[in-house]
Amino acid sequence: DVKVTQSSRYLVKRTGEKVFLECVQDMDHENMFWYRQDPGLGLRLIYFSYDVKMKEKGDIPEGYSVSREKKERFSLILESASTNQTSMYLCASSFGGTYGYTFGSGTRLTVV
Amino acid sequence: GQQLNQSPQSMFIQEGEDVSMNCTSSSIFNTWLWYKQDPGEGPVLLIALYKAGELTSNGRLTAQFGITRKDSFLNISASIPSDVGIYFCAGRSRSGGSNYKLTFGKGTLLTVNP
Repeated sequence: DVKVTQSSRYLVKRTGEKVFLECVQDMDHENMFWYRQDPGLGLRLIYFSYDVKMKEKGDIPEGYSVSREKKERFSLILESASTNQTSMYLCASSFGGTYGYTFGSGTRLTVV
Repeated sequence: GQQLNQSPQSMFIQEGEDVSMNCTSSSIFNTWLWYKQDPGEGPVLLIALYKAGELTSNGRLTAQFGITRKDSFLNISASIPSDVGIYFCAGRSRSGGSNYKLTFGKGTLLTVNP
């Protein structure tokens, strides 16, 4: 089975901290995605990457950056965490343009 | 960007009842997908549909790709308590070259009363 692993299930960080959320997939997928999920707002795309070192902004990239130095790893960076970035963060990967995404289990981030 | 309208937003049903939810769009999609998210977990793919008119089943779940390619529905028959969760529809079009990107509905929260 394809596995998408997010490094932390729960994180608590202070306002202003730099936060790294890590995601690793083990099936050689080209495409990787970061979403945040908030009640009533569904899944909102932050950034995605279709190849190593390539990245594209999603719908809500402000306050975030990403890094993809290796094909299997896609990192989401909160440059200076704020309380409005408290959310559930979901990483996903996919192969090509035909199949669905495989999601990780999510990281619930609380910024205090 | 593209939007999917998913309804209903939430459902509260009794165990054993059948459930129906749907997604509509103003744009044409070439793929429709249905996901389920258990509480505290990431979404998991339930059913994928690739052809207009296609009807696909997965156990008690049945989904259809609308003929117009602008809608899809998911039915759950004889619901059980473990069906609780959030169900998402997702669609993929080939416009703009971003054919690897999915558009998601906002989800249907299903609660099943034993």
